[in-house]
Amino acid sequence: NAGVTQTPKFQVLKTGQSMTLQCAQDMNHEYMSWYRQDPGMGLRLIHYSVGAGITDQGEVPNGYNVSRSTTEDFPLRLLSAAPSQTSVYFCASKGSSYNSPLHFGNGTRLTVT
Amino acid sequence: GESVGLHLPTLSVQEGDNSIINCAYSNSASDYFIWYKQESGKGPQFIIDIRSNMDKRQGQRVTVLLNKTVKHLSLQIAATQPGDSAVYFCAENMNSGAGSYQLTFGKGTKLSVIP
Repeated sequence: NAGVTQTPKFQVLKTGQSMTLQCAQDMNHEYMSWYRQDPGMGLRLIHYSVGAGITDQGEVPNGYNVSRSTTEDFPLRLLSAAPSQTSVYFCASKGSSYNSPLHFGNGTRLTVT
Repeated sequence: GESVGLHLPTLSVQEGDNSIINCAYSNSASDYFIWYKQESGKGPQFIIDIRSNMDKRQGQRVTVLLNKTVKHLSLQIAATQPGDSAVYFCAENMNSGAGSYQLTFGKGTKLSVIP
């Protein structure tokens, strides 16, 4: 059981470049989300999805787009990378029960120069 | 500011001793709390959770205590081992209705176990 898989593990971008961070889960979870983790800021929610075809904004959505065409995949897109988006990005999913914990991937470390 | 915070940013504990990591939250509407462990280079790993209708829950070597009166959450680790060295986060979910789920995370406490 792979759980939540994120690719790539590391990425360096130049300002203005675009890229997609991939996230896939094999637990048939309806809920998926993206967080960024910065020193001293903890984990902050970027976008989330409660099911295929449904997405919503979190605390820090600006500069990021998401889509959810399948239950398994929840990619995060940076259309025009900025140095402020240098961070570690975590994808997470959870089961349908309200009080069930998030399961996290191992993250993508992104550097924007 | 964040509604979830930590009393101690770092904690050093002798191997074999018990560890207590504290967390304060300010949102009385929060009804579900989780502790996560994060090792270097990895994602947060679920440790234990507790609902607001409980004040204590035990797992393997870990106990979470919830004091809703003072909005305080703690994680107790018994017989701390070197493998427990990590950053520990508390998280709360505020029930804003319709089964919404948006966790708010604290900034984390780094636990260092001294062999």
